[in-house]
Amino acid sequence: KQEVTQIPAALSVPEGENLVLNCSFTDSAIYNLQWFRQDPGKGLTSLLLIQSSQREQTSGRLNASLDKSSGRSTLYIAASQPGDSATYLCAALWGGQNFVFGPGTRLSVLP
Amino acid sequence: GAGVSQSPRYKVAKRGQDVALRCDPISGHVSLFWYQQALGQGPEFLTYFQNEAQLDKSGLPSDRFFAERPEGSVSTLKIQRTQQEDSAVYLCASSLVSSGTGELFFGEGSRLTVL
Repeated sequence: KQEVTQIPAALSVPEGENLVLNCSFTDSAIYNLQWFRQDPGKGLTSLLLIQSSQREQTSGRLNASLDKSSGRSTLYIAASQPGDSATYLCAALWGGQNFVFGPGTRLSVLP
Repeated sequence: GAGVSQSPRYKVAKRGQDVALRCDPISGHVSLFWYQQALGQGPEFLTYFQNEAQLDKSGLPSDRFFAERPEGSVSTLKIQRTQQEDSAVYLCASSLVSSGTGELFFGEGSRLTVL
């Protein structure tokens, strides 16, 4: 079964710290992987999309990497801010159109 | 509108009632998805449309769930004879392309509570 897991489930850091969120997937033959942000009571906002042929994508203070052979993706957030507090989810696509989501990492950035 | 719009944002139903949830995707987006999200969990796939064609409904949990997109734009997710286990947030997403390369854009969801 194709599954996505995320560790840790929750993370609390002081403002200004650099941090890494982890995403693992069971089948290395993914088509693409997306990272999303979800604020409480809201929908998901796409942050970064990495195609299977790519190793990383960057947007501002965010950098996402993809290592298919090890079944892992990481989201790096530089110089974290209180406004970064949210739940971060990754989702993998293995063909078809059925994106499989991880359970998310709930991030709190303390001022 | 500029984004994916869902209505109603909140719905309370008595067990056994039928409900209909609406999704208005971004104009021109070919692909439309419905997901179900339980509290504290990631979204789980329900169904996928490419234009008006429902190409994958493997995630619908029972035959009480039905989705349509008759003109290839607005979609409706209908749940018949609601049960308490149907309580969740129902998220709609759209994508410009029909392949798996496209970025997903989500609405804010419809929170269903079944009493």
